[in-house]
Amino acid sequence: DSGVTQTPKHLITATGQRVTLRCSPRSGDLSVYWYQQSLDQGLQFLIQYYNGEERAKGNILERFSAQQFPDLHSELNLSSLELGDSALYFCASSARQGSSYGYTFGSGTRLTVV
Amino acid sequence: AQTVTQSQPEMSVQEAETVTLSCTYDTSENNYYLFWYKQPPSRQMILVIRQEAYKQQNATENRFSVNFQKAAKSFSLKISDSQLGDTAMYFCASHYGGATNKLIFGTGTLLAVQP
Repeated sequence: DSGVTQTPKHLITATGQRVTLRCSPRSGDLSVYWYQQSLDQGLQFLIQYYNGEERAKGNILERFSAQQFPDLHSELNLSSLELGDSALYFCASSARQGSSYGYTFGSGTRLTVV
Repeated sequence: AQTVTQSQPEMSVQEAETVTLSCTYDTSENNYYLFWYKQPPSRQMILVIRQEAYKQQNATENRFSVNFQKAAKSFSLKISDSQLGDTAMYFCASHYGGATNKLIFGTGTLLAVQP
Protein backbone atom coordinates (compact mmCIF):
# COMPACT_ATOMS: atom_id res chain seq x y z
CA ASP A 1 0.00 0.00 0.00
CA SER A 2 1.56 3.26 -1.19
CA GLY A 3 -0.58 5.44 1.04
CA VAL A 4 -2.31 7.09 -1.94
CA THR A 5 -5.88 5.87 -2.24
CA GLN A 6 -7.84 5.99 -5.45
CA THR A 7 -11.47 5.04 -5.85
CA PRO A 8 -13.07 3.37 -7.63
CA LYS A 9 -10.56 0.86 -8.97
CA HIS A 10 -12.66 0.08 -12.00
CA LEU A 11 -15.38 2.03 -13.74
CA ILE A 12 -17.41 1.14 -16.80
CA THR A 13 -19.69 3.76 -18.26
CA ALA A 14 -21.34 4.75 -21.50
CA THR A 15 -20.38 7.45 -23.94
CA GLY A 16 -21.73 10.85 -23.06
CA GLN A 17 -21.80 10.17 -19.35
CA ARG A 18 -19.96 11.92 -16.53
CA VAL A 19 -17.82 10.28 -13.86
CA THR A 20 -15.83 11.38 -10.83
CA LEU A 21 -12.56 9.82 -9.79
CA ARG A 22 -11.39 10.32 -6.25
CA CYS A 23 -7.91 10.47 -4.76
CA SER A 24 -6.71 10.73 -1.17
CA PRO A 25 -3.02 11.67 -0.98
CA ARG A 26 -0.48 10.12 1.33
CA SER A 27 -0.69 11.53 4.83
CA GLY A 28 1.19 14.82 5.01
CA ASP A 29 1.44 15.32 1.25
CA LEU A 30 0.10 18.63 -0.01
CA SER A 31 0.50 18.15 -3.76
CA VAL A 32 -1.74 15.99 -5.91
CA TYR A 33 -1.10 15.16 -9.54
CA TRP A 34 -3.36 13.47 -12.07
CA TYR A 35 -2.03 11.41 -14.97
CA GLN A 36 -3.74 9.56 -17.79
CA GLN A 37 -2.20 6.36 -19.11
CA SER A 38 -3.57 5.21 -22.43
CA LEU A 39 -2.37 2.13 -24.26
CA ASP A 40 -0.69 4.08 -27.01
CA GLN A 41 0.29 7.32 -25.28
CA GLY A 42 2.10 6.45 -22.11
CA LEU A 43 1.66 8.63 -19.04
CA GLN A 44 0.28 12.06 -19.79
CA PHE A 45 0.24 14.76 -17.14
CA LEU A 46 -3.20 16.30 -16.67
CA ILE A 47 -3.13 18.67 -13.72
CA GLN A 48 -1.52 19.44 -10.37
CA TYR A 49 -2.90 20.92 -7.18
CA TYR A 50 -1.00 22.16 -4.18
CA ASN A 51 -2.81 22.76 -0.90
CA GLY A 52 -6.08 23.40 -2.69
CA GLU A 53 -4.80 25.56 -5.52
CA GLU A 54 -4.18 24.62 -9.14
CA ARG A 55 -0.47 24.91 -9.86
CA ALA A 56 0.22 23.27 -13.20
CA LYS A 57 -1.84 22.17 -16.13
CA GLY A 58 -0.97 19.71 -18.84
CA ASN A 59 -2.88 18.30 -21.75
CA ILE A 60 -6.19 18.25 -19.95
CA LEU A 61 -9.31 18.40 -22.09
CA GLU A 62 -11.94 21.05 -21.46
CA ARG A 63 -14.38 18.22 -20.71
CA PHE A 64 -12.19 17.32 -17.75
CA SER A 65 -11.91 19.27 -14.52
CA ALA A 66 -10.43 18.71 -11.12
CA GLN A 67 -10.27 20.20 -7.67
CA GLN A 68 -8.56 19.67 -4.36
CA PHE A 69 -10.59 20.03 -1.22
CA PRO A 70 -9.62 21.46 2.20
CA ASP A 71 -8.97 17.95 3.51
CA LEU A 72 -6.53 17.61 0.56
CA HIS A 73 -8.38 14.88 -1.26
CA SER A 74 -8.84 15.51 -4.95
CA GLU A 75 -11.46 14.68 -7.52
CA LEU A 76 -11.11 14.43 -11.28
CA ASN A 77 -14.35 14.96 -13.16
CA LEU A 78 -14.68 13.61 -16.68
CA SER A 79 -17.75 14.60 -18.68
CA SER A 80 -19.24 13.92 -22.11
CA LEU A 81 -17.15 10.79 -22.16
CA GLU A 82 -15.88 9.40 -25.42
CA LEU A 83 -14.47 5.98 -26.28
CA GLY A 84 -11.00 7.50 -26.44
CA ASP A 85 -11.19 8.49 -22.79
CA SER A 86 -10.83 4.86 -21.81
CA ALA A 87 -7.58 4.71 -19.88
CA LEU A 88 -5.93 4.16 -16.55
CA TYR A 89 -6.06 7.34 -14.48
CA PHE A 90 -3.41 7.74 -11.84
CA CYS A 91 -3.26 10.07 -8.93
CA ALA A 92 0.08 10.78 -7.28
CA SER A 93 1.12 12.89 -4.33
CA SER A 94 4.23 14.56 -2.99
CA ALA A 95 5.05 16.41 0.17
CA ARG A 96 5.86 19.73 -1.40
CA GLN A 97 5.02 21.64 -4.52
CA GLY A 98 8.08 20.35 -6.26
CA SER A 99 8.57 16.66 -6.86
CA SER A 100 12.33 16.38 -6.57
CA TYR A 101 11.95 13.27 -4.41
CA GLY A 102 9.53 11.66 -6.82
CA TYR A 103 5.88 11.03 -6.50
CA THR A 104 3.95 8.33 -4.69
CA PHE A 105 1.36 6.85 -6.99
CA GLY A 106 -1.99 5.34 -6.24
CA SER A 107 -3.04 2.09 -7.86
CA GLY A 108 -5.11 3.88 -10.48
CA THR A 109 -8.69 3.88 -11.70
CA ARG A 110 -9.36 1.85 -14.82
CA LEU A 111 -12.01 3.69 -16.84
CA THR A 112 -13.73 1.88 -19.67
CA VAL A 113 -16.11 3.85 -21.87
CA VAL A 114 -18.46 1.69 -23.95
CA ALA B 1 10.01 21.51 -25.00
CA GLN B 2 11.24 19.20 -22.30
CA THR B 3 11.18 15.63 -23.49
CA VAL B 4 12.18 12.18 -22.32
CA THR B 5 12.95 9.49 -24.87
CA GLN B 6 13.14 5.75 -24.39
CA SER B 7 14.19 4.16 -27.65
CA GLN B 8 13.74 0.52 -26.64
CA PRO B 9 10.05 -0.46 -26.62
CA GLU B 10 10.83 -4.01 -25.49
CA MET B 11 13.77 -5.89 -24.07
CA SER B 12 14.41 -9.41 -22.85
CA VAL B 13 17.02 -10.78 -20.45
CA GLN B 14 17.79 -14.15 -18.94
CA GLU B 15 17.38 -14.60 -15.23
CA ALA B 16 20.57 -13.68 -13.29
CA GLU B 17 21.94 -11.68 -16.23
CA THR B 18 22.46 -7.92 -16.45
CA VAL B 19 20.42 -5.60 -18.63
CA THR B 20 20.63 -1.88 -19.39
CA LEU B 21 17.65 0.26 -20.32
CA SER B 22 18.33 3.50 -22.17
CA CYS B 23 16.88 6.95 -21.64
CA THR B 24 17.73 10.35 -23.02
CA TYR B 25 16.21 13.67 -22.10
CA ASP B 26 16.26 17.21 -23.33
CA THR B 27 16.32 20.26 -21.12
CA SER B 28 17.95 23.65 -20.80
CA GLU B 29 17.49 23.65 -17.04
CA ASN B 30 20.41 23.33 -14.66
CA ASN B 31 18.47 22.02 -11.70
CA TYR B 32 16.54 18.84 -12.35
CA TYR B 33 15.98 15.33 -11.12
CA LEU B 34 15.70 12.05 -12.97
CA PHE B 35 13.82 8.93 -12.01
CA TRP B 36 13.14 5.39 -13.07
CA TYR B 37 9.73 3.97 -12.28
CA LYS B 38 8.68 0.36 -12.57
CA GLN B 39 5.15 -0.72 -13.52
CA PRO B 40 4.61 -4.45 -13.01
CA PRO B 41 1.52 -6.27 -14.32
CA SER B 42 -0.36 -5.02 -11.25
CA ARG B 43 -0.10 -1.56 -12.90
CA GLN B 44 1.18 0.04 -9.70
CA MET B 45 3.84 2.71 -10.36
CA ILE B 46 6.87 2.06 -8.15
CA LEU B 47 9.84 4.39 -7.78
CA VAL B 48 13.02 2.44 -8.48
CA ILE B 49 15.78 5.01 -8.32
CA ARG B 50 16.38 8.74 -8.27
CA GLN B 51 19.27 10.91 -9.49
CA GLU B 52 19.96 14.55 -8.73
CA ALA B 53 21.47 16.31 -11.72
CA TYR B 54 23.98 18.29 -9.68
CA LYS B 55 25.46 15.12 -8.22
CA GLN B 56 28.11 13.47 -10.33
CA GLN B 57 27.97 10.19 -8.46
CA ASN B 58 25.65 7.65 -10.05
CA ALA B 59 22.77 6.54 -7.85
CA THR B 60 22.55 2.91 -6.73
CA GLU B 61 19.76 0.98 -5.06
CA ASN B 62 20.66 -2.65 -4.45
CA ARG B 63 20.65 -4.37 -7.88
CA PHE B 64 19.62 -1.18 -9.66
CA SER B 65 22.09 1.48 -10.71
CA VAL B 66 22.18 4.31 -13.19
CA ASN B 67 24.72 5.64 -15.63
CA PHE B 68 24.13 9.39 -15.65
CA GLN B 69 25.92 11.25 -18.42
CA LYS B 70 24.92 14.87 -17.95
CA ALA B 71 26.67 16.29 -21.00
CA ALA B 72 25.10 13.67 -23.22
CA LYS B 73 21.74 14.00 -21.43
CA SER B 74 21.65 10.27 -20.94
CA PHE B 75 20.26 8.37 -17.97
CA SER B 76 20.37 4.60 -18.35
CA LEU B 77 19.23 2.00 -15.83
CA LYS B 78 21.27 -1.12 -15.18
CA ILE B 79 19.62 -4.10 -13.53
CA SER B 80 22.07 -6.68 -12.22
CA ASP B 81 21.25 -10.29 -11.37
CA SER B 82 17.85 -9.97 -13.06
CA GLN B 83 14.98 -11.71 -11.31
CA LEU B 84 11.62 -12.88 -12.61
CA GLY B 85 9.98 -10.22 -10.46
CA ASP B 86 11.78 -7.53 -12.43
CA THR B 87 9.47 -8.23 -15.36
CA ALA B 88 7.65 -4.93 -15.82
CA MET B 89 7.34 -1.76 -17.85
CA TYR B 90 10.07 0.68 -16.92
CA PHE B 91 9.56 4.41 -17.30
CA CYS B 92 12.23 7.05 -17.26
CA ALA B 93 11.03 10.41 -15.95
CA SER B 94 12.37 13.87 -15.33
CA HIS B 95 11.41 16.70 -13.06
CA TYR B 96 12.61 20.21 -13.58
CA GLY B 97 12.70 22.89 -10.92
CA GLY B 98 10.87 26.14 -11.12
CA ALA B 99 7.38 26.45 -12.48
CA THR B 100 7.29 23.10 -14.22
CA ASN B 101 5.79 21.15 -11.36
CA LYS B 102 5.36 17.83 -13.06
CA LEU B 103 7.11 14.65 -13.94
CA ILE B 104 7.62 14.11 -17.64
CA PHE B 105 7.65 10.45 -18.59
CA GLY B 106 9.18 8.55 -21.46
CA THR B 107 7.10 6.02 -23.36
CA GLY B 108 8.46 3.08 -21.41
CA THR B 109 10.45 -0.08 -22.02
CA LEU B 110 8.78 -3.43 -21.48
CA LEU B 111 11.32 -5.74 -19.85
CA ALA B 112 10.77 -9.49 -19.82
CA VAL B 113 12.99 -11.61 -17.61
CA GLN B 114 13.16 -15.15 -18.97
CA PRO B 115 13.71 -18.18 -16.70
